[in-house]
Amino acid sequence: KQEVTQIPAALSVPEGENLVLNCSFTDSAIYNLQWFRQDPGKGLTSLLLIQSSQREQTSGRLNASLDKSSGRSTLYIAASQPGDSATYLCAVDTGGYNKLIFGAGTRLAVHP
Amino acid sequence: DAGVTQSPTHLIKTRGQQVTLRCSPISGHKSVSWYQQVLGQGPQFIFQYYEKEERGRGNFPDRFSARQFPNYSSELNVNALLLGDSALYLCASRMGGQGPRENSPLHFGNGTRLTVT
Repeated sequence: KQEVTQIPAALSVPEGENLVLNCSFTDSAIYNLQWFRQDPGKGLTSLLLIQSSQREQTSGRLNASLDKSSGRSTLYIAASQPGDSATYLCAVDTGGYNKLIFGAGTRLAVHP
Repeated sequence: DAGVTQSPTHLIKTRGQQVTLRCSPISGHKSVSWYQQVLGQGPQFIFQYYEKEERGRGNFPDRFSARQFPNYSSELNVNALLLGDSALYLCASRMGGQGPRENSPLHFGNGTRLTVT
């Protein structure tokens, strides 16, 4: 049974810091991994999708890596800003029925 | 272009009642899926519909049902509501269907917040 774990559960950093969010999964048989952002009371915004054949994806200040063999992904946020404050969720796609399996998320607070 | 739209945004129901939630996918997206997110947890998969047919179902009781219409919009129905059904219900759409050839991201709506009292 696929399980997704995110560490840390919460993180508070001063503005300008570079930070890393971690995601691990138990079954390496995935087709892709997605990182999402969720603001309080809102839906999910897709940030990055890494296909199983890829090692990393970049979008602006965000860089996500994938090591399928070890069951790990990281989301790197450069030069964090208060507007980055949100919950970040990772999810693995096992290739069927759009059934993403999510971690519980990392709640990020960036203070000025 | 409009994103995934869901209605209503908030809903309060009493135990035992029935509820219908609605979702309109992004234009051109034929696949719609539903997720339940309880406070403090990640979303959990409920259903996927593609081309108006149910293609996948998560570990939810038969009180949960859904359908997809010819215009690809979708409804989620929950009967005999329980207190534990209180959650944010999220709808997501995707261009294609499923499987290894489908690597496009899922796009989520802002959800319907259901409170059961």
